[in-house]
Amino acid sequence: GAGVSQSPSNKVTEKGKDVELRCDPISGHTALYWYRQRLGQGLEFLIYFQGNSAPDKSGLPSDRFSAERTGESVSTLTIQRTQQEDSAVYLCATGYEAFFGQGTRLTVV
Amino acid sequence: TQLLEQSPQFLSIQEGENLTVYCNSSSVFSSLQWYRQEPGEGPVLLVTVVTGGEVKKLKRLTFQFGDARKDSSLHITAAQPGDTGLYLCAGADSGAGSYQLTFGKGTKLSVIP
Repeated sequence: GAGVSQSPSNKVTEKGKDVELRCDPISGHTALYWYRQRLGQGLEFLIYFQGNSAPDKSGLPSDRFSAERTGESVSTLTIQRTQQEDSAVYLCATGYEAFFGQGTRLTVV
Repeated sequence: TQLLEQSPQFLSIQEGENLTVYCNSSSVFSSLQWYRQEPGEGPVLLVTVVTGGEVKKLKRLTFQFGDARKDSSLHITAAQPGDTGLYLCAGADSGAGSYQLTFGKGTKLSVIP
């Protein structure tokens, strides 16, 4: 596609449920980032994929968070047993100059 | 871990005023990007600077990369309400070919009509 596409755009979930967020990258972009942005805050790095290299998972806040990506394809970010503090906008960016999607606004109630 | 510090954190100015925001690090970056983010949107890339001492202009915005490639500044001339937003800098470290980006926390700019 022409840009980075994220889905869903909004997600409301109950505390304790699992959620899966999806990022469709710009075709050909080998670099892919996931960031978290709490209301009124800057970007918090979560994970970085670079082609087939081992991802940099150093930003994942707990073992409830995981992400997958195969090659240059779609990436999914999974949050298990969601907590209220997980409420935030989750942003995906692809390419070395980081073109961002619109984000997924996650609300845990 | 490379850190980027942005200052000021918040800035509120009147329309027509000039302003400068800063992005500083103790680390050297291979390139540095500036983004603007408006409420409800993802950050949008404004410019990439790659050469120490480089100056780039984008209409009323002037971006400068420090000689040592550790810092950068963004100067806005005659600010307008449409400039309101969160300005983020991000440094790229091409060491080991990773090109991983490190983001600062951002400067939240409000331009009052």
